[in-house]
Amino acid sequence: GAVVSQHPSRVICKSGTSVKIECRSLDFQATTMFWYRQFPKKSLMLMATSNEGSKATYEQGVEKDKFLINHASLTLSTLTVTSAHPEDSSFYICSANRDRGPFGTEAFFGQGTRLTVV
Amino acid sequence: QQQVKQSPQSLIVQKGGIPIINCAYENTAFDYFPWYQQFPGKGPALLIAIRPDVSEKKEGRFTISFNKSAKQFSLHIMDSQPGDSATYFCAAAYTGNQFYFGTGTSLTVIP
Repeated sequence: GAVVSQHPSRVICKSGTSVKIECRSLDFQATTMFWYRQFPKKSLMLMATSNEGSKATYEQGVEKDKFLINHASLTLSTLTVTSAHPEDSSFYICSANRDRGPFGTEAFFGQGTRLTVV
Repeated sequence: QQQVKQSPQSLIVQKGGIPIINCAYENTAFDYFPWYQQFPGKGPALLIAIRPDVSEKKEGRFTISFNKSAKQFSLHIMDSQPGDSATYFCAAAYTGNQFYFGTGTSLTVIP
């Protein structure tokens, strides 16, 4: 199956610093990638839709100045958590949609990034 | 508003049992219904998916049953094993658009 690679898998940072998380589609081009946040034992909460070559679309309640998204190429989207606070500690997951033509679209997920802000 | 409703929240079965997880949706424009399996600390992995033109799909021990008129679909795991213990998410999407996820079901298979 298609592979989506997310890096890093774990990161610990100090309050006030910024952290960048990368999401790469390794064997297909993705014009659209999604960023999710997941709390323990909870479902995935969509944060934003990342569109190659244009601005990301953020879900209601997600601060666009805090969670900067850049989709610089058809295989790479980045999420930067700026001025991180302990309440930003969470599991962040990206996904990329692969277009399979008449078979529709499939979503593939990265491995997730565990962010801990101390 | 929850686009996809999933139940139960948690499920415990004996090895060899057949856990069933149910999902319901409202938007009739959805045309793709995947199930994802997630282990702790990992991202969700696509398990099996179905489109509304069929009522059932089997892949190995996993079966999706789809009822278009009722707008419901379910995942059945045959001969469940302890290694199947994970969180399962259903989802719904329409082609090229975002996926809407259920709230997840934590499955525990007891040896």
